[in-house]
Amino acid sequence: GEDVEQSLFLSVREGDSSVINCTYTDSSSTYLYWYKQEPGAGLQLLTYIFSNMDMKQDQRLTVLLNKKDKHLSLRIADTQTGDSAIYFCAETPGGYQKVTFGTGTKLQVIP
Amino acid sequence: GAVVSQHPSRVICKSGTSVKIECRSLDFQATTMFWYRQFPKQSLMLMATSNEGSKATYEQGVEKDKFLINHASLTLSTLTVTSAHPEDSSFYICSARVLTQNTEAFFGQGTRLTVV
Repeated sequence: GEDVEQSLFLSVREGDSSVINCTYTDSSSTYLYWYKQEPGAGLQLLTYIFSNMDMKQDQRLTVLLNKKDKHLSLRIADTQTGDSAIYFCAETPGGYQKVTFGTGTKLQVIP
Repeated sequence: GAVVSQHPSRVICKSGTSVKIECRSLDFQATTMFWYRQFPKQSLMLMATSNEGSKATYEQGVEKDKFLINHASLTLSTLTVTSAHPEDSSFYICSARVLTQNTEAFFGQGTRLTVV
């Protein structure tokens, strides 16, 4: 099946680092994504990693990919209240086709 | 990155009427577009895959006669919710990719449909 799993909720204090984890199932996925969705809004692509990479860093965001364990994580350094949102990981099972989303992790940042 | 524009962003319609949602790729040609639906506090579920010039492929459980998809050009796909009912109220998002190239998916802003 194509199940992409995430923990439902994460609470951190402002200034701390947040780590959101994701487990995917399709080892042939070429792109793995992290999207942010604020209440009532659409999807904002935060970052993505190509499957031949282990890590990608973009300012406060660090993505780690463990292909062996099919595990993807997103680390947000110096988390701010504006980072409060739902974060979805997503994969492209089969390589070039549809994007399958995870269940979403709601990040709550406590001032 | 490439831009996908979705219109309208919000729409309210009466039960029994039809609503059309447009998805446009503004600066690239999208051979394939995807339509997703998101229920409150849930993830996005793929409804159908829209291929330019051919019939859409629907996911299991999605009524093709209710959710009409047209992909008449390489830059436009439309989703028409026919005979809308309150249970069709949801957030609909389109995505576009160029499948001949190894590129990431680009998403529209989404459409909040409320059927009253």
